[in-house]
Amino acid sequence: DTGVSQDPRHKITKRGQNVTFRCDPISEHNRLYWYRQTLGQGPEFLTYFQNEAQLEKSRLLSDRFSAERPKGSFSTLEIQRTEQGDSAMYLCASSTQQVGTEAFFGQGTRLTVV
Amino acid sequence: KNQVEQSPQSLIILEGKNCTLQCNYTVSPFSNLRWYKQDTGRGPVSLTIMTFSENTKSNGRYTATLDADTKQSSLHITASQLSDSASYICVVSALYNFNKFYFGSGTKLNVKP
Repeated sequence: DTGVSQDPRHKITKRGQNVTFRCDPISEHNRLYWYRQTLGQGPEFLTYFQNEAQLEKSRLLSDRFSAERPKGSFSTLEIQRTEQGDSAMYLCASSTQQVGTEAFFGQGTRLTVV
Repeated sequence: KNQVEQSPQSLIILEGKNCTLQCNYTVSPFSNLRWYKQDTGRGPVSLTIMTFSENTKSNGRYTATLDADTKQSSLHITASQLSDSASYICVVSALYNFNKFYFGSGTKLNVKP
């Protein structure tokens, strides 16, 4: 296990289509985070899982967004009826739950909605 | 409101020169502060991690400082190289609230030959 893996790296979709991204965290990490990053900005928190439980969702996560982590391992982020404003880099990170732990990031999925 | 502010927003320096990036935060209660380097189109990679009791930490040509009283941190890059061109993001985590991470908007550094 060499790190956090995200798939796909790039996705171009037409407005109105649904897209799904996958994140495979570091195997011993029970925490998994999704962030969105637009050009020139830092990552913005979307949601967080501890094992299979989704413990917090940002207000940025509209009802068109849904995230799952069914077995406490990999996670998926689905965006329904995509809009041009959804174009961004979607980053996944994982960590342990120890205080002072570090978040390890994947390479991200770049979404372009045309 | 928990926030992390970084300055400058962008910076251009010549190869071989030094530079200092700033991070001010209001996150409380404070757990730790990290500086990440993010190359264009890539995920952030941690450079340094600092806890409340640490004032200075170095990682090669990168030196981070932390003043927990004034809630300020800096990242000093010595003898810059072209490969230092990237965004540098300050991330502060809260002691509670599931150790939530708060991100600054980053400083975009461009090192020119």
